[in-house]
Amino acid sequence: KAGVTQTPRYLIKTRGQQVTLSCSPISGHRSVSWYQQTPGQGLQFLFEYFSETQRNKGNFPGRFSGRQFSNSRSEMNVSTLELGDSALYLCASSPSAEFYNEQFFGPGTRLTVL
Amino acid sequence: SQQGEEDPQALSIQEGENATMNCSYKTSINNLQWYRQNSGRGLVHLILIRSNEREKHSGRLRVTLDTSKKSSSLLITASRAADTASYFCALPRANSKLTFGKGITLSVRP
Repeated sequence: KAGVTQTPRYLIKTRGQQVTLSCSPISGHRSVSWYQQTPGQGLQFLFEYFSETQRNKGNFPGRFSGRQFSNSRSEMNVSTLELGDSALYLCASSPSAEFYNEQFFGPGTRLTVL
Repeated sequence: SQQGEEDPQALSIQEGENATMNCSYKTSINNLQWYRQNSGRGLVHLILIRSNEREKHSGRLRVTLDTSKKSSSLLITASRAADTASYFCALPRANSKLTFGKGITLSVRP
């Protein structure tokens, strides 16, 4: 099976712009989660989607949003970008909704905000 | 805190030596997972140990779990330069999928 794929791999934006990141989970996986990784805050949970519904959301402002499509592919959107949004954004998938499953991560999207 | 805390923060060893990394946590868990990350890339799942298990092996990896002490250790035997990476313990949580510690930076010198 192909692994989790994320596009684009690298992105450079300026403050105030918005960005959309895409994640395709492993075939058959219906749960997709997003994480933000920064040197200062480490790995932080953004949100989780299962069957097109957001199940959980981390402690991030409303500028961060996401959605999941019927084929389980997911997108996350960040509006009005700030310098502090520069980070590695990681997507992970798992077969089912159970929270205790292992997660399969994609290679990440490196976002730089200038 | 719902996340684990890894110790040490950084570890430097010679190729062929064993590397031991520890993770402590404060609340009850369903399982504890270890992940590896190579230089700012995606995380790779290494091993999952359930709360009713005490020890688990996978190749050169050995993980132990002591729920009474709320701690886990990851042992990498006969380390290789390719083991150089960051290692994270992760705790699954119902409202946040996985919570991660700050990670341990392992350097294996050839």
